[in-house]
Amino acid sequence: GAVVSQHPSRVICKSGTSVKIECRSLDFQATTMFWYRQFPKQSLMLMATSNEGSKATYEQGVEKDKFLINHASLTLSTLTVTSAHPEDSSFYICSAKREDSNQPQHFGDGTRLSIL
Amino acid sequence: GESVGLHLPTLSVQEGDNSIINCAYSNSASDYFIWYKQESGKGPQFIIDIRSNMDKRQGQRVTVLLNKTVKHLSLQIAATQPGDSAVYFCAETGFQKLVFGTGTRLLVSP
Repeated sequence: GAVVSQHPSRVICKSGTSVKIECRSLDFQATTMFWYRQFPKQSLMLMATSNEGSKATYEQGVEKDKFLINHASLTLSTLTVTSAHPEDSSFYICSAKREDSNQPQHFGDGTRLSIL
Repeated sequence: GESVGLHLPTLSVQEGDNSIINCAYSNSASDYFIWYKQESGKGPQFIIDIRSNMDKRQGQRVTVLLNKTVKHLSLQIAATQPGDSAVYFCAETGFQKLVFGTGTRLLVSP
């Protein structure tokens, strides 16, 4: 079954709204989570690495004030898209690193964000 | 046959055929490689992995081949089924971050 849960799966909102996406690790603790962005027919691009109890590490070109990441507990990381605009519309996917797994990361099922 | 779309190459096969999906990776320092399957509207799903000290690894109906000399990775799917239709990504990593390839869409017709 799923080991990483992402919520909501889809959100549609007006331009200027801030949107929060949650990523939860189920039945395991994740000190490290990752946030990706995926445009249609394209690959996943890493946006940032979320570290529990410390600041996220953002990839080059990703605005940290635009995409706020909070990893306040060992099972939850949130991504807030602040003052979202149509160009922020995308598929956002999180993943979590599980120490006792042979897989490097376990992925959530993504959040489809549409800004009108 | 194989064709290149606007962004995503597509491989079309008949059910029961063997499929081969290719990937060129960029970082010669990468030592771990993974193939993922992504269905529409979902996150990537782990298929198989291989470390750089190997050149072949087999799973159930899938085989991954690694050629470090030319930085090339391939995924072979035996007896392809309609349920295999999806986008397949290779990913490489040397430490913690995964770097995904461009992806290939596999279309399986009955």
